[in-house]
Amino acid sequence: NAGVMQNPRHLVRRRGQEARLRCSPMKGHSHVYWYRQLPEEGLKFMVYLQKENIIDESGMPKERFSAEFPKEGPSILRIQQVVRGDSAAYFCASSLEPESKNIQYFGAGTRLSVL
Amino acid sequence: KQEVTQIPAALSVPEGENLVLNCSFTDSAIYNLQWFRQDPGKGLTSLLLIQSSQREQTSGRLNASLDKSSGRSTLYIAASQPGDSATYLCAVPAYSGAGSYQLTFGKGTKLSVIP
Repeated sequence: NAGVMQNPRHLVRRRGQEARLRCSPMKGHSHVYWYRQLPEEGLKFMVYLQKENIIDESGMPKERFSAEFPKEGPSILRIQQVVRGDSAAYFCASSLEPESKNIQYFGAGTRLSVL
Repeated sequence: KQEVTQIPAALSVPEGENLVLNCSFTDSAIYNLQWFRQDPGKGLTSLLLIQSSQREQTSGRLNASLDKSSGRSTLYIAASQPGDSATYLCAVPAYSGAGSYQLTFGKGTKLSVIP
């Protein structure tokens, strides 16, 4: 049973380009969380999705960032018109159920570098 | 709003020493607490999860304790080894009110075990 798969592992973009980060949850998991880890900072929650629905996007920047989790395929975190401050590690986690007692399993992350 | 603090930020010990990592949280109404390990450039590996009704959990050389009333958790590592060198993160889930149990992380303790 493969774990949470994120790709690409490393992504380099120039300012103004778009970044697309993909996350395939563990088999059987339909709940996906995205977190961002800025340099020298802790992980911060961004968004929580279930299949085809955004449940909580309270941690998402208001502009340029969007997320989706379609019925088929991976969850996508999309950053439009990237700026240097977007450089960070982006982690995806999945869980079987959303309840608090369930463990969130993390992927290896995508490290975004904006030149 | 839940805040998680980890002290110290960095720790260097000689191989074989026992050590304690500390985690404190401001809101004691937690469901559980989780300790993770993060290796440089890698994802998060879950080490131990302590439910709110438990006082400690053990896995091999690791022992995590939880004192909800004082808002503290400790991770005890026995007979440290160079392979234990990593950043250790603690995290607690918080119900966002918008349908998600997002994890709130501390900034971590960077451990170096010197051979």
